[in-house]
Amino acid sequence: GAVVSQHPSRVICKSGTSVKIECRSLDFQATTMFWYRQFPKKSLMLMATSNEGSKATYEQGVEKDKFLINHASLTLSTLTVTSAHPEDSSFYICSARLVDRDTLYEQYFGPGTRLTVT
Amino acid sequence: GQNIDQPTEMTATEGAIVQINCTYQTSGFNGLFWYQQHAGEAPTFLSYNVLDGLEEKGRFSSFLSRSKGYSYLLLKELQMKDSASYLCAVRVLTTGGFKTIFGAGTRLFVKA
Repeated sequence: GAVVSQHPSRVICKSGTSVKIECRSLDFQATTMFWYRQFPKKSLMLMATSNEGSKATYEQGVEKDKFLINHASLTLSTLTVTSAHPEDSSFYICSARLVDRDTLYEQYFGPGTRLTVT
Repeated sequence: GQNIDQPTEMTATEGAIVQINCTYQTSGFNGLFWYQQHAGEAPTFLSYNVLDGLEEKGRFSSFLSRSKGYSYLLLKELQMKDSASYLCAVRVLTTGGFKTIFGAGTRLFVKA
């Protein structure tokens, strides 16, 4: 099956620093990747849709200058949390959609990245 | 707007059957998913319905009624490992393409 990886799985950073999270589709090409954020005991909140070779589409209320998304290739999307603050601490999950394939499995999720900002 | 409702928590007994309901009000409906998520992990796919009716897969079944905006996930022969959150998600087609919107999830506790 399709595999999506995320790196790092956990990261602790100091307030004011920036953190980059990578999302890779390991055995398929993904023109579209999604970035979600999940607070404890809450569901996934879509932050942005990342399209290869073009600008990401951000959901309402998500600061594009704070959460920088780059989708430079068909297998890699990155999310950079700039000038992180404690309220940015969360579980960030990416998912990838297969290219030109109408499948029941629309999205494959990465294992998530736990970000803690101190 | 887009809205998905499901119960916050449910408790059931090992070996029993439990039904988790989901109602949705969305535009551009293009399918409904159920995912299982254990604490601290990413969601894993359980089922997908795009047409009305019941889809059965082992111990798990999912039902959809598009006219009623209603779905349920049925879990049979419950096991302790089934204790998890179950997320109802609706795929919608927007001007920006397909999106999947998640409900808040139902936390299922399976007791011995």
